[in-house]
Amino acid sequence: DTEVTQTPKHLVMGMTNKKSLKCEQHMGHRAMYWYKQKAKKPPELMFVYSYEKLSINESVPSRFSPECPNSSLLNLHLHALQPEDSALYLCASSQGRAGARANEQFFGPGTRLTVL
Amino acid sequence: AQSVTQLGSHVSVSEGALVLLRCNYSSSVPPYLFWYVQYPNQGLQLLLKYTSAATLVKGINGFEAEFKKSETSFHLTKPSAHMSDAAEYFCAVSDNNQGGKLIFGQGTELSVKP
Repeated sequence: DTEVTQTPKHLVMGMTNKKSLKCEQHMGHRAMYWYKQKAKKPPELMFVYSYEKLSINESVPSRFSPECPNSSLLNLHLHALQPEDSALYLCASSQGRAGARANEQFFGPGTRLTVL
Repeated sequence: AQSVTQLGSHVSVSEGALVLLRCNYSSSVPPYLFWYVQYPNQGLQLLLKYTSAATLVKGINGFEAEFKKSETSFHLTKPSAHMSDAAEYFCAVSDNNQGGKLIFGQGTELSVKP
């Protein structure tokens, strides 16, 4: 299984809602990532988990809260978002060890988030 | 700090013509370089990667890229464009650190005319 899955595909939420994005992989990868992508722009790294521990937080606002319950799952909890947070949220995974193979990231299809 | 520059935010070719997408990198250590493709409303798919072995790297869908250290370049080519190649292409560089961070270029949108 060489796939990263993400649910839901689309999400519309109000600024007072609480929602969660889910990402799952069964490739035995030990590094997982959240990216935010605006239209016609490259992905922007938000968080990195390595061996289920948060290793990189790219100064993301606290209204985004990541969680890694186990080595296969990655969640992104959303609360009190702003309209400018509307974007495609991509999850990725990699082997998480030093070396080129570790840096090859496999991406999921993304969740299209709209904040009203 | 490492960085990637993709020359040309939009490239248009005719079906059957050569595809050339340009990528230049900046890195103080031997880089690991990647080309990803993104079709509309989809995630990123790895086309090919350079890992300091062969300088000419062959990828999926007939794409290849050549690593030129003297020019700090890693341009993506395909001899004959197909309509299905129309997509956004991203060049990225990574370091050797654990859980390494990918640094993306701004992307090049490829259009293929019939």
